Amino acid sequence: EAQVTQNPRYLITVTGKKLTVTCSQNMNHEYMSWYRQDPGLGLRQIYYSMNVEVTDKGDVPEGYKVSRKEKRNFPLILESPSPNQTSLYFCASSFLGRSTYEQYFGPGTRLTVT
Amino acid sequence: AQSVTQLDSQVPVFEEAPVELRCNYSSSVSVYLFWYVQYPNQGLQLLLKYLSGSTLVKGINGFEAEFNKSQTSFHLRKPSVHISDTAEYFCAVSGPNTGNQFYFGTGTSLTVIP
Repeated sequence: EAQVTQNPRYLITVTGKKLTVTCSQNMNHEYMSWYRQDPGLGLRQIYYSMNVEVTDKGDVPEGYKVSRKEKRNFPLILESPSPNQTSLYFCASSFLGRSTYEQYFGPGTRLTVT
Repeated sequence: AQSVTQLDSQVPVFEEAPVELRCNYSSSVSVYLFWYVQYPNQGLQLLLKYLSGSTLVKGINGFEAEFNKSQTSFHLRKPSVHISDTAEYFCAVSGPNTGNQFYFGTGTSLTVIP
């Protein structure tokens, strides 16, 4: 089954404790992306990647890191989480190219930083 | 940077009535336009997309949208809504002219009243 998986689905942590949210896709997509969703703000892109070893900042990259060492994986790293990073996070992937651009979204990771 | 404006944060509508969810974007250059739907506690799913060609785009679940370049709008419509259409709807823009970055609106919560 074609899918984007994220782990963990729920996470409660404390300020300053490094964490990683994993994202994996099995569709051989070139493009992968991370978003955060906050009430009244919609989805905002954090980072995106157009292929292995190619990453770019989105609208809200501060406080986050990503890496793309393999095509299927795109982990999101919070080196020192803060309460303002409490949010719902989505990973997405797609083929690149004007005939597609359909992003497949993961189920989301709800992060709470206390 | 792009901006996407969804003019209505909440839209209540009676079952079997028509609905229009409005979306305007800021770009004066060519972009790709999308509508996504998010059902409660789920990820996002693509409803429809405009890449080029006919300005009237048909999507899943009976939804359609019309691209209006002069008004920089991409409004979503359905002639007769069902209870199951209750969800959050997001408009988004992307494409090579945005560096393949995705910009989402703040969302419209559609509530279908029996």
